[in-house]
Amino acid sequence: DTAVSQTPKYLVTQMGNDKSIKCEQNLGHDTMYWYKQDSKKFLKIMFSYNNKELIINETVPNRFSPKSPDKAHLNLHINSLELGDSAVYFCASSQESKALRQIYQETQYFGPGTRLLVL
Amino acid sequence: AQSVTQLGSHVSVSEGALVLLRCNYSSSVPPYLFWYVQYPNQGLQLLLKYTTGATLVKGINGFEAEFKKSETSFHLTKPSAHMSDAAEYFCAVSGHLNQAGTALIFGKGTTLSVSS
Repeated sequence: DTAVSQTPKYLVTQMGNDKSIKCEQNLGHDTMYWYKQDSKKFLKIMFSYNNKELIINETVPNRFSPKSPDKAHLNLHINSLELGDSAVYFCASSQESKALRQIYQETQYFGPGTRLLVL
Repeated sequence: AQSVTQLGSHVSVSEGALVLLRCNYSSSVPPYLFWYVQYPNQGLQLLLKYTTGATLVKGINGFEAEFKKSETSFHLTKPSAHMSDAAEYFCAVSGHLNQAGTALIFGKGTTLSVSS
């Protein structure tokens, strides 16, 4: 069984279109993330959610809107796509653990990626 | 703030040779450190991680890394390279501890090539 899955795997679309990428994890984790990998393979966080609450919202254009309907899903909707949005988008999940009033981040598990090409 | 520097964007070794991929980090708090591998057109797979305790960490596929606080380093090694090790390797440090949903801060990656 795939732990973190993303759909679609490939997405080719025209500038100006609106598209969505879906992510699901079956690990029972309470935290999910979206990362963007650019053409130089540099990975950068976009968003993170913990128990459906938005935690991290990096300097991403507001054309990008994440939505977490439940703890197992984190979707990414992109409006008015631009050429510069072409990249690989990775979803990830992790489980926070707590001990002695500290929050410890456990391993992040990544999905296979969605390769977005905007023409 | 946390940051990661991977020295050498491309490393080439012969099959059977030692693999050494360098990673230095900067962190204002005790770091959690990770190495991930990415095969072509695939997602990221965890190789190993350091949180606390033993500074020499063993991972999958024969890889290991040693946390050296005095050198702020977390270099990845493998005694004998295999053709199947050819991939992109990323070193990462946790963002903020004690905060849910903290992000990983990645280095720019090192491409490992293995020749026969």
